[in-house]
Amino acid sequence: NAGVTQTPKFRVLKTGQSMTLLCAQDMNHEYMYWYRQDPGMGLRLIHYSVGEGTTAKGEVPDGYNVSRLKKQNFLLGLESAAPSQTSVYFCAISRPAGTDTQYFGPGTRLTVL
Amino acid sequence: GEDVEQSLFLSVREGDSSVINCTYTDSSSTYLYWYKQEPGAGLQLLTYIFSNMDMKQDQRLTVLLNKKDKHLSLRIADTQTGDSAIYFCAENNAGNMLTFGGGTRLMVKP
Repeated sequence: NAGVTQTPKFRVLKTGQSMTLLCAQDMNHEYMYWYRQDPGMGLRLIHYSVGEGTTAKGEVPDGYNVSRLKKQNFLLGLESAAPSQTSVYFCAISRPAGTDTQYFGPGTRLTVL
Repeated sequence: GEDVEQSLFLSVREGDSSVINCTYTDSSSTYLYWYKQEPGAGLQLLTYIFSNMDMKQDQRLTVLLNKKDKHLSLRIADTQTGDSAIYFCAENNAGNMLTFGGGTRLMVKP
């Protein structure tokens, strides 16, 4: 039982390149989230999904797209990477409500040159 | 809108108690959480408190909630070097969305 896994762990891109980050879970949770973490700013929600086939914008969605084609996977795409997207990206999962809070993956460190 | 604030840094000696403070603004939050992040790792849930509680104790951890002042604190008793990490408080909003504070870096000196 791996919980939440993220691929890749590290990546360096040049400005304008594209890439996709993969989040996979084996806990059968309905909700999945993508956050970015920048120094001194905590985590900010990029996009989230409340179920297979659904996505919604979070606090900082610009420059990112997401897809949830399968319940266990949540993909985060950068179509044209910018240096401002240099960050650590975390995926999280949860059940819909209640005390069962969010469980986080180990993170992906992305650098855009 | 919601805003969660924490001090950036706290340094304590091993064996002392640590108190990490947090203020939030959304009075409708149902739960408030404390997460721990060790270097190079994701966030790990430490504890949470329901908004109708004043205090919750879990082994070395004590959470105090003052709803009137929208103030949340985490006390770690007998702080150890393994407690060195960044601690985030978070409040939940509608639909189980979390708003995080900026994190408090706890440094424990031997």
